[in-house]
Amino acid sequence: RKEVEQDPGPFNVPEGATVAFNCTYSNSASQSFFWYRQDCRKEPKLLMSVYSSGNEDGRFTAQLNRASQYISLLIRDSKLSDSATYLCVVNTIDSGTYKYIFGTGTRLKVLA
Amino acid sequence: ETGVTQTPRHLVMGMTNKKSLKCEQHLGHNAMYWYKQSAKKPLELMFVYNFKEQTENNSVPSRFSPECPNSSHLFLHLHTLQPEDSALYLCASSRNLAGVSGELFFGEGSRLTVL
Repeated sequence: RKEVEQDPGPFNVPEGATVAFNCTYSNSASQSFFWYRQDCRKEPKLLMSVYSSGNEDGRFTAQLNRASQYISLLIRDSKLSDSATYLCVVNTIDSGTYKYIFGTGTRLKVLA
Repeated sequence: ETGVTQTPRHLVMGMTNKKSLKCEQHLGHNAMYWYKQSAKKPLELMFVYNFKEQTENNSVPSRFSPECPNSSHLFLHLHTLQPEDSALYLCASSRNLAGVSGELFFGEGSRLTVL
């Protein structure tokens, strides 16, 4: 089982749609969770951290379910500029060392 | 000016060449990382440095040799690479090592092609 698993997509959605991505992680000792965004041929950039109580930043909402070991990202009112790959990142402990573990990413295409 | 700068942005090399990738961070961070990103694969952690000391070598072949002269600079020396080493090499930094919640800041990457 992969440490961090995401549906690679692509998710093709029309402008204005709501889209949700899920991510599962295998290590129950994982400490913190993030969503990063990566545009084509660019570096990943932090989109938002994911807090236990869930958190919202404008059109973006992140949720964490520790019992089921998954996190989610909801994007409302999709814009063309939201087209990118969304990377799920988990900060987990491995052999006594904390590491950032990345998923393969979910590709989103917002269509006009 | 970006916080993390990588050079060169693109590199083409033969299997017998020796080249180096350079990374510099202007953020005052203590931890620096090398990641490899290949098509359809997740980012793979290669090396971690904390206060210029190597804390992680993720079973990386010896043809990749990192160097961290100080907390702001990180190099990846390349020697006798294979075509399958062609990938995007990303440098990142964070205020502290993973374990303390914090953001990873990435450079724009060095796209390497091995012929």
